[in-house]
Amino acid sequence: SQQGEEDPQALSIQEGENATMNCSYKTSINNLQWYRQNSGRGLVHLILIRSNEREKHSGRLRVTLDTSKKSSSLLITASRAADTASYFCATETGANNLFFGTGTRLTVIP
Amino acid sequence: EAGVVQSPRYKIIEKKQPVAFWCNPISGHNTLYWYRQNLGQGPELLIRYENEEAVDDSQLPKDRFSAERLKGVDSTLKIQPAELGDSAVYLCASRETSGTDTQYFGPGTRLTVL
Repeated sequence: SQQGEEDPQALSIQEGENATMNCSYKTSINNLQWYRQNSGRGLVHLILIRSNEREKHSGRLRVTLDTSKKSSSLLITASRAADTASYFCATETGANNLFFGTGTRLTVIP
Repeated sequence: EAGVVQSPRYKIIEKKQPVAFWCNPISGHNTLYWYRQNLGQGPELLIRYENEEAVDDSQLPKDRFSAERLKGVDSTLKIQPAELGDSAVYLCASRETSGTDTQYFGPGTRLTVL
């Protein structure tokens, strides 16, 4: 399967702390994307990192990509209660299809 | 700008009944995707359209699932007959074919098969 795997499956932190989620995948990719999904809602695109990039920032988000290890991490700094959601990594191959991981359930405690 | 629209949001049916889901993508988006998301899992691609052509339907269970995108705009996904294992959230996404790499997702249809 080309589906990635997130680690940990669940994460609970206090508001203001940083949250780190990891993603591992199996095949060569064009890019890797992170999405957020609030309970009962659709997915929201957060950030995309291309295979020739190593790090990318967007607001409180920092994404790293290590293609040699086929892994990525998402760091959310200064977390807020509103960040509570499930976070998915998705890899895109040459066929322009996305393959999603199993997700990390993040709970930020006020 | 309106996002991806899906209807209905929720559907409860008895097994062996047919069901249909509708999706209207963002205006100007030529690529449309249908995904299925089981509880506690990530979405899995069912079918991808480029305009009205289904360019990847390798993951679509063709014995009971069908999809169409007449006129290359909105799309319908059908299940006939539904089975208990079809209970899931069905997500539609669209994307500019020659533009960004971002897929924009609709809110999904939550299907419960009893």
